[in-house]
Amino acid sequence: KAGVTQTPRYLIKTRGQQVTLSCSPISGHRSVSWYQQTPGQGLQFLFEYFSETQRNKGNFPGRFSGRQFSNSRSEMNVSTLELGDSALYLCASRYTLAGGSSYNEQFFGPGTRLTVL
Amino acid sequence: AQSVTQLDSHVSVSEGTPVLLRCNYSSSYSPSLFWYVQHPNKGLQLLLKYTSAATLVKGINGFEAEFKKSETSFHLTKPSAHMSDAAEYFCVVSSGNTPLVFGKGTRLSVIA
Repeated sequence: KAGVTQTPRYLIKTRGQQVTLSCSPISGHRSVSWYQQTPGQGLQFLFEYFSETQRNKGNFPGRFSGRQFSNSRSEMNVSTLELGDSALYLCASRYTLAGGSSYNEQFFGPGTRLTVL
Repeated sequence: AQSVTQLDSHVSVSEGTPVLLRCNYSSSYSPSLFWYVQHPNKGLQLLLKYTSAATLVKGINGFEAEFKKSETSFHLTKPSAHMSDAAEYFCVVSSGNTPLVFGKGTRLSVIA
């Protein structure tokens, strides 16, 4: 079974631009979460989507948004980029039962390295 | 609320000697606990997980961890370090549908 895939792997943007990152979960996984990893703040939760609905949200400004499609693929968007948005963005998927209960175990993709100049 | 404290930011061991990475957790619920490893420029790989079954959990690559509720600890061990074990290790807590909460990580160096 293929793992979690993320595209692109690397991105360079300038301040003020916007960016869209993509994540394809493991086949059969319907929950997708996004995390930001920086040297200073470590790994922080951004949001989680299940069945095209945002289920959980971390403490990030509204410039960070996401969505999920009917095939469970997910995208996250960052508008008006700031230097501090430079980070590794990790996507993770997990198996969720039809009733919405999720297994805690999450599987991570390789990440997208975003550099903001 | 849930939290994780990894007691060492950096651990250095010689190849062939035991590894101990320490983790304490706090959780209002019955927690699930995980250890993930991250090699340079890579994503996170699950090493092992505790989900209220056996308190001694065995993972991949010879790693294991013991859940001690009385000490709120979940330390990661390996009997004999290998050069390929050099990486960043994260202790993680979660329960139910809540997001994963990560510790700040422990960088493991293995000296030849």
